[in-house]
Amino acid sequence: NAGVTQTPKFRILKIGQSMTLQCTQDMNHNYMYWYRQDPGMGLKLIYYSVGAGITDKGEVPNGYNVSRSTTEDFPLRLELAAPSQTSVYFCASGTANYGYTFGSGTRLTVV
Amino acid sequence: GESVGLHLPTLSVQEGDNSIINCAYSNSASDYFIWYKQESGKGPQFIIDIRSNMDKRQGQRVTVLLNKTVKHLSLQIAATQPGDSAVYFCAETYNQGGKLIFGQGTELSVKP
Repeated sequence: NAGVTQTPKFRILKIGQSMTLQCTQDMNHNYMYWYRQDPGMGLKLIYYSVGAGITDKGEVPNGYNVSRSTTEDFPLRLELAAPSQTSVYFCASGTANYGYTFGSGTRLTVV
Repeated sequence: GESVGLHLPTLSVQEGDNSIINCAYSNSASDYFIWYKQESGKGPQFIIDIRSNMDKRQGQRVTVLLNKTVKHLSLQIAATQPGDSAVYFCAETYNQGGKLIFGQGTELSVKP
């Protein structure tokens, strides 16, 4: 099993550009999450999903969109990149019975 | 409320000593708690978890204590080693694993 796979690992965007961060899990988990982590800070929840077709806002959803068309995939969309979105983005999946697994992160810089 | 703009608190211990990392959680309805370890440049790694119907749970060299009265969680690491140096986060969730919220985190530094 690959676990939680995030792509790309690194990306530099110009202000106003858009991009999609990909997240795929092969553990058949219903719950998936997106977090951002600014340097020296904790993880802030952007969006989460409790199953295919169901998504909900987290603590810091502004500027982001998500979709969950399959159990495996949970992409995060940035429509108009801003310098404030420079961060490391982590995807996670899991269940309350078996814990949560994190991907290795996407480091995004907006210039 | 959020600790916007605050950087991580740090804990410095001598190798071989025991470490205690504390966490205050926010939601009295939370029923599942997890401690994660994050090394530089990596994603969070599961350490130990505990459910709200328990007060204490032990793993290998780690113990988690839960005090629901004051909404406090602690992680005890026995015989701390240099490899334990990392940032430690607590996380909470409720209602069978919906929203998973992280606490502020503590940076543990182990001196040889």
